[in-house]
Amino acid sequence: NAGVTQTPKFQVLKTGQSMTLQCAQDMNHNSMYWYRQDPGMGLRLIYYSASEGTTDKGEVPNGYNVSRLNKREFSLRLESAAPSQTSVYFCASRSGQKNTGELFFGEGSRLTVL
Amino acid sequence: AQTVTQSQPEMSVQEAETVTLSCTYDTSESDYYLFWYKQPPSRQMILVIRQEAYKQQNATENRFSVNFQKAAKSFSLKISDSQLGDAAMYFCAYRGGRRPGTASKLTFGTGTRLQVTL
Repeated sequence: NAGVTQTPKFQVLKTGQSMTLQCAQDMNHNSMYWYRQDPGMGLRLIYYSASEGTTDKGEVPNGYNVSRLNKREFSLRLESAAPSQTSVYFCASRSGQKNTGELFFGEGSRLTVL
Repeated sequence: AQTVTQSQPEMSVQEAETVTLSCTYDTSESDYYLFWYKQPPSRQMILVIRQEAYKQQNATENRFSVNFQKAAKSFSLKISDSQLGDAAMYFCAYRGGRRPGTASKLTFGTGTRLQVTL
């Protein structure tokens, strides 16, 4: 099973450039998430989509936009990249059933903004 | 807002020994879920163990067990018979149970890096 797939895995951008991180899950999960991981900061939630057709801001949404394209796909867009957005980005999904609550993660995407 | 605190940035344990990683959290909810995730150098996030707050019994998964103290809002992870493959970053995480806005989100601590020595 592929689980959660993120692309690209590595990307280098110049300040001001735009890019989209793609995420797809094949587990028929309702909820999808984008986190960023920075040294000493743990994982911080950028945006999430509790169900198809809805998106909500997380802890650090500034500078990002998201699109829940369908139940499988949830993309993260940087319109004008800044060096502060250099980070490792993780996409995750969850079935939405309260008796589990487990998040399944992609392998991460390392983004460097010069 | 819910917060999760891991006060040990780094820990070290000898192979075959036992180590305990600490986690505390702050919440006003009575129904919630707690998790420990492992992140090895491969960067992949792997669920180690989960605990439902309504369950008094501490969760156990093979060599991994938790000490869940609901009144103290403490959720520590004990690794027994440590192995070289246990070396990783460990994250504690919280998810609310019922309240809109918190039931969907996982809040993570800042992590503890565990080193396993021979």
